[in-house]
Amino acid sequence: DVKVTQSSRYLVKRTGEKVFLECVQDMDHENMFWYRQDPGLGLRLIYFSYDVKMKEKGDIPEGYSVSREKKERFSLILESASTNQTSMYLCASMASGRAADTQYFGPGTRLTVL
Amino acid sequence: AQSVAQPEDQVNVAEGNPLTVKCTYSVSGNPYLFWYVQYPNRGLQFLLKYITGDNLVKGSYGFEAEFNKSQTSFHLKKPSALVSDSALYFCAVRDIRSNDYKLSFGAGTTVTVRA
Repeated sequence: DVKVTQSSRYLVKRTGEKVFLECVQDMDHENMFWYRQDPGLGLRLIYFSYDVKMKEKGDIPEGYSVSREKKERFSLILESASTNQTSMYLCASMASGRAADTQYFGPGTRLTVL
Repeated sequence: AQSVAQPEDQVNVAEGNPLTVKCTYSVSGNPYLFWYVQYPNRGLQFLLKYITGDNLVKGSYGFEAEFNKSQTSFHLKKPSALVSDSALYFCAVRDIRSNDYKLSFGAGTTVTVRA
């Protein structure tokens, strides 16, 4: 079974702090994704990566950056957290090529910015 | 462009009754379609997918979904709902021609099954 883990289930930070959210997958997947989930809006894609050191902006990248130094790890960075970044953050991974169809999700990190 | 609509914010059914969660989609080409379920304070769990082939897809926990190309729909169904099916359900779509594997999600439908 695919396993995607996220470093924290719950996180509370203050406005202006730098925040790191970590995601690790154990299936050697090439593709990894960061979403945020807000009530009534579903999941919105922040960034994704299709290979080590590669990244692409999603639909709402403003205020976020990412890092992928190793294949199994994809980090989401909030350079200066703001209250409107309070949300549930979900990481996902997916294979490439002919096996590329299903994204597998981690348990999520509920971030509160005070 | 690709998008998904889940027209119902909430669905309430009695245990033992049929459950239907509606989804319609829009893509330029042909779709890959997915249903995910989210239990409280948890991540998304994959339920089922339509890639190609038979329009009726069977998935986990007794769920199934029917792909209807003419109506651009992919409704999720379960013949007999359980209280444990109470959760948030998301439909998602990807254009089969897409090279970036991006999924577009609906806003979600909260299902409540009463005993």
